[in-house]
Amino acid sequence: ETGVTQTPRHLVMGMTNKKSLKCEQHLGHNAMYWYKQSAKKPLELMFVYNFKEQTENNSVPSRFSPECPNSSHLFLHLHTLQPEDSALYLCASSQVTGGREKLFFGSGTQLSVL
Amino acid sequence: ELKVEQNPLFLSMQEGKNYTIYCNYSTTSDRLYWYRQDPGKSLESLFVLLSNGAVKQEGRLMASLDTKARLSTLHITAAVHDLSATYFCAVVKFGGQGNLIFGKGTKLSVKP
Repeated sequence: ETGVTQTPRHLVMGMTNKKSLKCEQHLGHNAMYWYKQSAKKPLELMFVYNFKEQTENNSVPSRFSPECPNSSHLFLHLHTLQPEDSALYLCASSQVTGGREKLFFGSGTQLSVL
Repeated sequence: ELKVEQNPLFLSMQEGKNYTIYCNYSTTSDRLYWYRQDPGKSLESLFVLLSNGAVKQEGRLMASLDTKARLSTLHITAAVHDLSATYFCAVVKFGGQGNLIFGKGTKLSVKP
């Protein structure tokens, strides 16, 4: 148990559906991240939130919409996804202290888009 | 653009043997991470290497960093089945926190 909880663990959705992924961290960290892990590709950083403010959007399509209401919760809202968006979506958190922080990852949500 | 390359991508080894996984990165970075991922599980942080010549050891795993060569190694000594997992190296994009750039991972299988 890393202290970062993601729900749901598995999600199957059609291309016209709207769904949300949830991440909660119990570590008192001030930064949260979404990563995408596809088969045969390296993990890709999607979004970074630092003190609830988005500090990085790594050219992610607008069909992915993040939300960070507070430093403990992070959401990824999904709509009109494509089959190529099927992947493992990982949430992570860290305590930003000037360059020595370590990321703690959740177990991920395995997303299948039909 | 920072790129991270790991090799090999797949490694099948026998218990008791030694082997090394390599991680090369393309531009300046001030820290490098090694992570382990078991199937269906989260990424677990193994090592953080912060400076040239840094060496860290935990059990049968030892990681080192050569910033001049932009190379990190993860050495496995006398492998055991429990070490079977996928190992990732990740390098921080210079100037950004959390902007880890990951290698593709090395899937290690240790057979009896």
